[in-house]
Amino acid sequence: AQKVTQAQTEISVVEKEDVTLDCVYETRDTTYYLFWYKQPPSGELVFLIRRNSFDEQNEISGRYSWNFQKSTSSFNFTITASQVVDSAVYFCARSSQGAQKLVFGQGTRLTINP
Amino acid sequence: ETGVTQSPTHLIKTRGQQVTLRCSSQSGHNTVSWYQQALGQGPQFIFQYYREEENGRGNFPPRFSGLQFPNYSSELNVNALELDDSALYLCASSLSAGPFPGELFFGEGSRLTVL
Repeated sequence: AQKVTQAQTEISVVEKEDVTLDCVYETRDTTYYLFWYKQPPSGELVFLIRRNSFDEQNEISGRYSWNFQKSTSSFNFTITASQVVDSAVYFCARSSQGAQKLVFGQGTRLTINP
Repeated sequence: ETGVTQSPTHLIKTRGQQVTLRCSSQSGHNTVSWYQQALGQGPQFIFQYYREEENGRGNFPPRFSGLQFPNYSSELNVNALELDDSALYLCASSLSAGPFPGELFFGEGSRLTVL
């Protein structure tokens, strides 16, 4: 199976620290999409970003940034100056051209302590 | 708020029973996907419906079935419940079932406990 691996099961940091969530994926496809979702305690998955395999530019959105490195099959997510409201489970996911399903990693539970 | 609503939010069933979960998709979305999320795991794709037809299925047995209605709302039915079916069932709607996956809008899920 072409897996998505999030090696960090849980991360706990103090507010205002920077934190990076790792994601490594497997794929045989030349065209694919990578995603990050946030799952707060309420349960719904909140879309954060989609990146296609042809676009290796890093992206920054406020305190969030994403580092896509095709050579290492990684799509890491960094939160700068973390806040308590960032506490959630974060999922990395992969999809494929022509395939409608998302394959999710196991998630990283991020706790930001005041 | 994603505009995707699911019901019921919680339910308890016993082994062997049947369950129906419901999902109302975001206005204008014609595609609905269902995912199963076991405790401490990532969501797993069950199937997708596009314009009332099944449009892809994950590795789930036939006792997991679904429907999509003309208003694009959807149902997930599970027959002959097993203990391992206990999970959070997430519905997601999207604008298109085309070859390039778009943003999925997820509901808050239905938490099923099988005793």
